Amino acid sequence: SQQGEEDPQALSIQEGENATMNCSYKTSINNLQWYRQNSGRGLVHLILIRSNEREKHSGRLRVTLDTSKKSSSLLITASRAADTASYFCATPPGGTDKLIFGTGTRLQVFP
Amino acid sequence: GAGVSQSPSNKVTEKGKDVELRCDPISGHTALYWYRQSLGQGLEFLIYFQGNSAPDKSGLPSDRFSAERTGGSVSTLTIQRTQQEDSAVYLCASSPEWGAGEKLFFGSGTQLSVL
Repeated sequence: SQQGEEDPQALSIQEGENATMNCSYKTSINNLQWYRQNSGRGLVHLILIRSNEREKHSGRLRVTLDTSKKSSSLLITASRAADTASYFCATPPGGTDKLIFGTGTRLQVFP
Repeated sequence: GAGVSQSPSNKVTEKGKDVELRCDPISGHTALYWYRQSLGQGLEFLIYFQGNSAPDKSGLPSDRFSAERTGGSVSTLTIQRTQQEDSAVYLCASSPEWGAGEKLFFGSGTQLSVL
């Protein structure tokens, strides 16, 4: 079963706009990660946020974490066509070492 | 190697045949993960290894699926008596240490098609 669910399932925007994706998870966690996947193959790690952090930045990416609501958001600012991909959140449920991925958001950025 | 390598990149097989998928993790990475992704879907956790041992096999869909890792390096995922529902991309990932705070490095996957 999925630990996390992303919302929306799909998002289409114009270049230059911001894109926001949300992730909800079910159990307590000690960190949450975001990954990007191009063309249905290998994933690339984007950012990790720990449970004692509320916000983290990396370039055009901003991630927030609200452990009370069991949710996280990924904001991509000033989007580019090259940002077109699927984005997944991933968490280790219940203190386990395995990483469980959410259902993903498919982002399409039009030039 | 420079990255996680998976082979073959594509595999077409007939229903009922056995298949072996191979994963070469990044050198020195102690943790190794297998996931399955059906078309347009999220990643389904299958199994992970800490060194050569697999503490959690709960994601393996059935007893037709097995995996092993030898020498703390190469891993093989074996699917016996393949079924059409086994068709998916099988992704392997490794990380330097085992532990929930480690980021994963993914291979490009093996696209398995069962006819």
